[in-house]
Order: sequence, then structure tokens, then C-alpha cells
Amino acid sequence: DAKTTQPTSMDCAEGRAANLPCNHSTISGNEYVYWYRQIHSQGPQYIIHGLKNNETNEMASLIITEDRKSSTLILPHATLRDTAVYYCIVRSMNTGFQKLVFGTGTRLLVSP
Amino acid sequence: DAGVIQSPRHEVTEMGQEVTLRCKPISGHNSLFWYRQTMMRGLELLIYFNNNVPIDDSGMPEDRFSAKMPNASFSTLKIQPSEPRDSAVYFCASTKTGGFTEAFFGQGTRLTVV
Repeated sequence: DAKTTQPTSMDCAEGRAANLPCNHSTISGNEYVYWYRQIHSQGPQYIIHGLKNNETNEMASLIITEDRKSSTLILPHATLRDTAVYYCIVRSMNTGFQKLVFGTGTRLLVSP
Repeated sequence: DAGVIQSPRHEVTEMGQEVTLRCKPISGHNSLFWYRQTMMRGLELLIYFNNNVPIDDSGMPEDRFSAKMPNASFSTLKIQPSEPRDSAVYFCASTKTGGFTEAFFGQGTRLTVV
């Protein structure tokens, strides 16, 4: 699976959009981009995934560049409860098993 | 569904003792994962099962660690003998196999070996 690179930490003001970048320059054509987050003392939680089109759900939006070498997770109106570590994961669907390998993630701090 | 259920939530044990962590996956899910999380190493995949069969145990640190899945609704991770460096939070996750499916994680077991 392709390796991802994320900033170690980011800050965001409550109510503003949080834009979390992820580089995955070695991604291959059959690999999806997944985002999970981990709130302190809890297990990771799925947020969103995509292949090449932009995606949106009730939690966030995912913007994937045309060359698919990077993506951005957008939390449109961050709240204090969005303070968490956010993991960007790239994973091939070919094997059929969803083996999730986590990197170091981005620690997002949302402040009042 | 109650989600992925792990027990115990906290475990404190003395070095050299056997420790057994338990996991009940979500009903209908046929893939199960065990992870370990520490400050130094982050979230590490230890082993995963598909249809109760271990598929990849390359992340299991050493022979002191073993995992079983005797049926679709139960899995154990055993450490024997335990050592202080095994202190960590252990997470279990389950998912359906095939296509895209999100993985659901349990609340974790915080293990402290003294």
C-alpha cells in the first residue's frame, strides 16, 4: 500500500473550516484514499473515502487532486469535538481484505 | 448492534503473568483486526482474520503473542508471559470483506504490565 505524508499538527478556530492535507504521491490507480479520526481515548472512527472524485458526507468533504497524488479533508465548520488525530490511509481494493495500516496522522486542535 | 465489544476495558497485571484480551465483532462482519497503540509506535496492526482464519500475523511482535478466532463472534489476543513493554492500548476492529466497507473499532483495552 502507498505511503502517506501528513503534517504532525494543525490548529483551527471553532466555527472555521479545517483543511487537512495528505500527500500520497506513490498512489496507484486501484488505491482508494480513506480518512479516519481518533478522538482521545477512543478507537478510530471512519470519516470518508474516495477514489478520484470529490466526496461529501455528513461529516466532511474529501478533495482529491486530478493526479491523485494528494488530497484534503475538509471539516466545514469545526467544533471543539473535532479535536482529534486524523489519519489519511491509502489502500488497494484488489486483495479484497480491508487491511488498514495507520501512519502518524495529524493532530487537529480546535480552539474556542 | 452494540458495536465491537472488547473486554476488559482496563487490565493491570504483573510481569510474567498471562493476559487474555477479548473481542466480540459486529454480527455479520467476517474480518477482524487486532491493533496495538503506544505513544512511541502509534497504531500498529498486529494480526487480522478473515472468516475466522488468520490471514496476516506479520505484525505480531514475538512468540509471546498469540491470537485466535474460534468462531465468527469471538476472538482473543493472548500474551504469555507479559512484559512491561507490552503496556499499551489494544484495539479490535471488524468489517465485512469485499468492496469498500468501513472498519468499526472497539473502545480498546488499556493494558498495564508492572
